Amino acid sequence: DGGITQSPKYLFRKEGQNVTLSCEQNLNHDAMYWYRQDPGQGLRLIYYSQIVNDFQKGDIAEGYSVSREKKESFPLTVTSAQKNPTAFYLCASSIKSGGSYNEQFFGPGTRLTVL
Amino acid sequence: EDKVVQSPLSLVVHEGDTVTLNCSYEVTNFRSLLWYKQEKKAPTFLFMLTSSGIEKKSGRLSSILDKKELFSILNITATQTGDSAIYLCAPAQGGSEKLVFGKGTKLTVNP
Repeated sequence: DGGITQSPKYLFRKEGQNVTLSCEQNLNHDAMYWYRQDPGQGLRLIYYSQIVNDFQKGDIAEGYSVSREKKESFPLTVTSAQKNPTAFYLCASSIKSGGSYNEQFFGPGTRLTVL
Repeated sequence: EDKVVQSPLSLVVHEGDTVTLNCSYEVTNFRSLLWYKQEKKAPTFLFMLTSSGIEKKSGRLSSILDKKELFSILNITATQTGDSAIYLCAPAQGGSEKLVFGKGTKLTVNP
């Protein structure tokens, strides 16, 4: 089955710890994105990547880091520098055709809680 | 600064009612506008609109874009309890293809 997988589904961490969220896609999509969603808020873009070994900051990149070593994978690390990391994290991907990108498809999300 | 405003923020209706959800936007380098439905977890794609005045339909859902007035609406006719969800509007910016999300409209359809 083609799709986007995120793991783990739920994650708990203590303050001061770094944690890495996994995002994998087997759709052969070119671009991948990380969003954060807080209650009552829309999705806010953290980082995105349009090609392997390249990525750009989104609107709220502070305290986060990413890598894109393979087309299929775009892990997100939430560092201890992120002041308020408790949130729902969504990964998305999209394919490029005709010079532009089509709609983004989302993974099931990871709910991170900092204790 | 890019801005997306959805209204209403919350809506409660009865099954069978028709609803109209609104989205106004101001984003740089606008390319298209997307609508998503979010139930428990991941948003699912509904429509992508790139041209003004052309209605897109999928069953009981339809949507239209006005690029002059920077506005889009999502209509749902004969609502069902399964339509209960948060509906997200997201203009896409050309080049980066970044989506700028609104806060969403929470729709509750009661039996």
